[in-house]
Amino acid sequence: EAQVTQNPRYLITVTGKKLTVTCSQNMNHEYMSWYRQDPGLGLRQIYYSMNVEVTDKGDVPEGYKVSRKEKRNFPLILESPSPNQTSLYFCASSSRAGGFQETQYFGPGTRLLVL
Amino acid sequence: AQSVTQLGSHVSVSEGALVLLRCNYSSSVPPYLFWYVQYPNQGLQLLLKYTTGATLVKGINGFEAEFKKSETSFHLTKPSAHMSDAAEYFCAVSSYSGAGSYQLTFGKGTKLSVIP
Repeated sequence: EAQVTQNPRYLITVTGKKLTVTCSQNMNHEYMSWYRQDPGLGLRQIYYSMNVEVTDKGDVPEGYKVSRKEKRNFPLILESPSPNQTSLYFCASSSRAGGFQETQYFGPGTRLLVL
Repeated sequence: AQSVTQLGSHVSVSEGALVLLRCNYSSSVPPYLFWYVQYPNQGLQLLLKYTTGATLVKGINGFEAEFKKSETSFHLTKPSAHMSDAAEYFCAVSSYSGAGSYQLTFGKGTKLSVIP
């Protein structure tokens, strides 16, 4: 089954404790992206990757890091989480074949609470 | 920069009534437009999209949207609401973000409630 998986689905942590949220897709997609969803703000892009070893900032990259060492994986790293990073996080992937027209496929989300 | 405006953060309709969710966009180039739906406690899934060609686009679950360039709108409609349509709906525009890459910009979402 074609899917995007994220782990963990729920996470409670404390300020300053480094964490990683994993994202994996099995569709051989080149493009992967991280979003955060906050009430009243919709989805905002954090980082995206057009292919292996190619990443770039989205609209709200501060406080986050990413890496793309393998095509299927795109982990999101919070080196020193702060309470304002409490949010619902989504990973998404799409093919690059159609460029702008491609549909993005979303993971189930990771709900993060930073105390 | 592209932007998307969804009018109404919350819309309530009666079961069987028309659903109309409004979306306006700003784009300096011909846009690619999407509607995604998010059911409770789930990720987003594509409802429909406009790329080129016919301006009336049909999607899943009886939804459709019409691209109106003169009005810069891409409103989502469904003739008869069903209880299972209760969800949050996001309009999005795909745009070039430089160096051969593209970005999907979302509106803030409209939560649809269906009253029995």
